[in-house]
Amino acid sequence: GDSVTQMEGPVTLSEEACLTINCTYTATGYPSLFWYVQYPGEGLQLLLKATKADDKGSNKGFEATYRKETTSFHLEKGSVQVSDSAVYFCALSASNYQLIWGAGTKLIIKP
Amino acid sequence: EAGVAQSPRYKIIEKRQSVAFWCNPISGHATLYWYQQILGQGPKLLIQFQNNGVVDDSQLPKDRFSAERLKGVDSTLKIQPAKLEDSAVYLCASSLRTGGNEQFFGPGTRLTVL
Repeated sequence: GDSVTQMEGPVTLSEEACLTINCTYTATGYPSLFWYVQYPGEGLQLLLKATKADDKGSNKGFEATYRKETTSFHLEKGSVQVSDSAVYFCALSASNYQLIWGAGTKLIIKP
Repeated sequence: EAGVAQSPRYKIIEKRQSVAFWCNPISGHATLYWYQQILGQGPKLLIQFQNNGVVDDSQLPKDRFSAERLKGVDSTLKIQPAKLEDSAVYLCASSLRTGGNEQFFGPGTRLTVL
């Protein structure tokens, strides 16, 4: 069945460091891909999405490119801030349009 | 625009007790989802409603969990009786319709079963 695998956390970085959180997927067909973020004490929020191969989603300085050849959707940011500390979830929209989620990656940014 | 509302935010009960969670989706959103999120894992879909009808409840433990959305607006999720392994965050989300639309999430209810 469809699945999402993302790198285990926590990931700890210093402020202004570069970030990459890896996400790979297994799916039939052509799913849409999403990154959601969960800040402490808050609900999940959509961070960015891509609906077809080679699409790049971007928001708040974060980017991810839908790579069909490597079945990946890695999340990147050039310079992280303390306020980016959160749990990040990669997800795909399965053939029945339901979301299949990764386990989440906790990001800790130190000043 | 008001977001998805959930209550209570926290609940502590003993095993074998019952508990109910309430969700009010964003106005006009036809699709409502209940998820269970165990610590360290991604959300797991329990049930999906389209208006007041059930689209998918294949992962809902029906011997103890029930959910309803009688008027196609707000929804209640109940657990009776609760088990220790039900300790989790219960998330409600809504979307305009099914079919890949963005899901908007409430803050969740953190349930602890002792």
